[in-house]
Amino acid sequence: EIVLTQSPGTLSLSPGERATLSCRASQIVTSDYLAWYQQIPGQAPGLLIYGASSRATGIPDRFSGSGSGTDFTLTISRLEPEDFAVYYCQQYGSSPLTFGGGTKVEIK
Amino acid sequence: QVQLVQSGAEVKKPGASVKISCKASGYTFTSYAMNWVRQAPGQRLEWMGWINTDNGNTKYSQKFQGRVTLTRDTSASTAYMELSSLRSEDTAVYYCARDRFSSSWPYYFDSWGQGTLVTVSS
Repeated sequence: EIVLTQSPGTLSLSPGERATLSCRASQIVTSDYLAWYQQIPGQAPGLLIYGASSRATGIPDRFSGSGSGTDFTLTISRLEPEDFAVYYCQQYGSSPLTFGGGTKVEIK
Repeated sequence: QVQLVQSGAEVKKPGASVKISCKASGYTFTSYAMNWVRQAPGQRLEWMGWINTDNGNTKYSQKFQGRVTLTRDTSASTAYMELSSLRSEDTAVYYCARDRFSSSWPYYFDSWGQGTLVTVSS
């Protein structure tokens, strides 16, 4: 199975700053089938990005995804107060589908 | 709007089974597959399996093969997940998550249920 490793585990930033989150796969992710989700504590995850770089419906353009193969990045250009949450990557190119361990973006 | 409403929290003893429902509304149920994902305390999200809600075909994570059964009732727009031979490590929040497509393979999840807490304890 493909193991996804996210780094850093925690990112301490201030509103308005740029966040860069990494997701590294143990094998090539077929067709760059990688998604990103945001989870606010106590809520279900919500889709942000699919296909490594396509924004889901209604997602603001401050969220962007990039990368291919085994290395992927989620960037939040300017953090808003509602962006402080946990972010997960997920690959859907191979079975079983797998998730990363998450990156918590917290207020500095 | 798309809504996935799951059944309520469960407390089960080791060795028992649990069946969780996920009622869909706001879209044509059979046009999208459904996945089940769990999140144990302090653990990463874990994909359990997928069901094509149109033809009933299923795919399971090998980890849960033999213990999990996914079904659906198209007349009720409801998907079900049954997990058997429960152990303490199965204590988790279980989510249904709508797949972006209805095909022969799970993809990514564009809507999620609110989650159902299952506690396994003697």
